[in-house]
Amino acid sequence: ETGVTQTPRHLVMGMTNKKSLKCEQHLGHNAMYWYKQSAKKPLELMFVYSLEERVENNSVPSRFSPECPNSSHLFLHLHTLQPEDSALYLCASSQDRTVQETQYFGPGTRLLVL
Amino acid sequence: KQEVTQIPAALSVPEGENLVLNCSFTDSAIYNLQWFRQDPGKGLTSLLLIQSSQREQTSGRLNASLDKSSGRSTLYIAASQPGDSATYLCAVRAATDSWGKLQFGAGTQVVVTP
Repeated sequence: ETGVTQTPRHLVMGMTNKKSLKCEQHLGHNAMYWYKQSAKKPLELMFVYSLEERVENNSVPSRFSPECPNSSHLFLHLHTLQPEDSALYLCASSQDRTVQETQYFGPGTRLLVL
Repeated sequence: KQEVTQIPAALSVPEGENLVLNCSFTDSAIYNLQWFRQDPGKGLTSLLLIQSSQREQTSGRLNASLDKSSGRSTLYIAASQPGDSATYLCAVRAATDSWGKLQFGAGTQVVVTP
């Protein structure tokens, strides 16, 4: 266990559905991240939050909407997704964004869009 | 633009053999390089973090080297065991980055047969 939990672990949704992914970290960290891992492709950074402020939006489509209500919780709201959005979505946290820090990853949410 | 490549994409070895995994990156201006392990359907576990000023890091049976000028890192796993079967990912952090962004390779899938 890395101290980062994600729910749900698996999600199947239609293209017209709205769903949310949840991430919680129990490490007292101040920075949180969303990554997307598609089959046979490298992990792609989607969003970075530092002290609850979004500091990076890596050209992600607006059908993905992040929310960070406090330093321990991070959400990814999904609406009108496409089949190509099917992937493993990973949350990570670190003490802060300084270069020395290791990022700790959650187990991921496996998303299938039909 | 930084590109991270891992060769081979897959590797199968008998138990007891040493493992050698390669990672190359195109831009040598990095803060650090990190090796992760990912088990099927799960998140990432950090194995070793090498700062740009370091040449290697060791943890138990694992040793990672870094040659920043040539854009290469190698992860050695001594006396492999079936429990070492996983996908191994390397990631670099650019020297110009201030957001905590990691650039990942696509990974090497390792199978250690009993």
